[in-house]
Amino acid sequence: ETGVTQTPRHLVMGMTNKKSLKCEQHLGHNAMYWYKQSAKKPLELMFVYSLEERVENNSVPSRFSPECPNSSHLFLHLHTLQPEDSALYLCASSQDSGDRGREKLFFGSGTQLSVL
Amino acid sequence: GENVEQHPSTLSVQEGDSAVIKCTYSDSASNYFPWYKQELGKGPQLIIDIRSNVGEKKDQRIAVTLNKTAKHFSLHITETQPEDSAVYFCAASKGSGFQKLVFGTGTRLLVSP
Repeated sequence: ETGVTQTPRHLVMGMTNKKSLKCEQHLGHNAMYWYKQSAKKPLELMFVYSLEERVENNSVPSRFSPECPNSSHLFLHLHTLQPEDSALYLCASSQDSGDRGREKLFFGSGTQLSVL
Repeated sequence: GENVEQHPSTLSVQEGDSAVIKCTYSDSASNYFPWYKQELGKGPQLIIDIRSNVGEKKDQRIAVTLNKTAKHFSLHITETQPEDSAVYFCAASKGSGFQKLVFGTGTRLLVSP
């Protein structure tokens, strides 16, 4: 509906597993984002890619590794996660217009991650 | 850095009543203030936004007001309907280029028939 598709919708993994979250946007945007949403906390920005280059890394632990192979696709690779990493992981996209100003952010439906 | 506070955390109204959600921000350089609605099982969806060069913006039953001096902005929903029930987030950002939003903690709105 929003033009941003995330898979899988739900993921359960053990602490020793390796898994990846996938995001695809069909809006022609050139900036993509990963956010973490935990209960009773504000949405936390994790990573930003603008024109396929990582421009923001908000002190995220190295067990989260993003990848942006092109402007339409974004991945979040997960390994040796902790139970406190259980959360809703949201992908978003926008059009980075440079000095012309910021454009609206469009979110996907998220991947609900449970780490056992 | 920017800090956004949002109140109330929960709000219950009767269908047809108005609902008001308030946010304050700390960085006077912030100049873009969107509001997002998140329904169960979905990601946040932008419903209205305001830039710092205007004081009020309306879109049908929703409106946003901005007081730059006091550094607060509010979401107003009139004639509420059960489908307005959701979690609402305010946010603030500044500058240009990619979007670096700082979000509030959310308000759960429940509209009872």
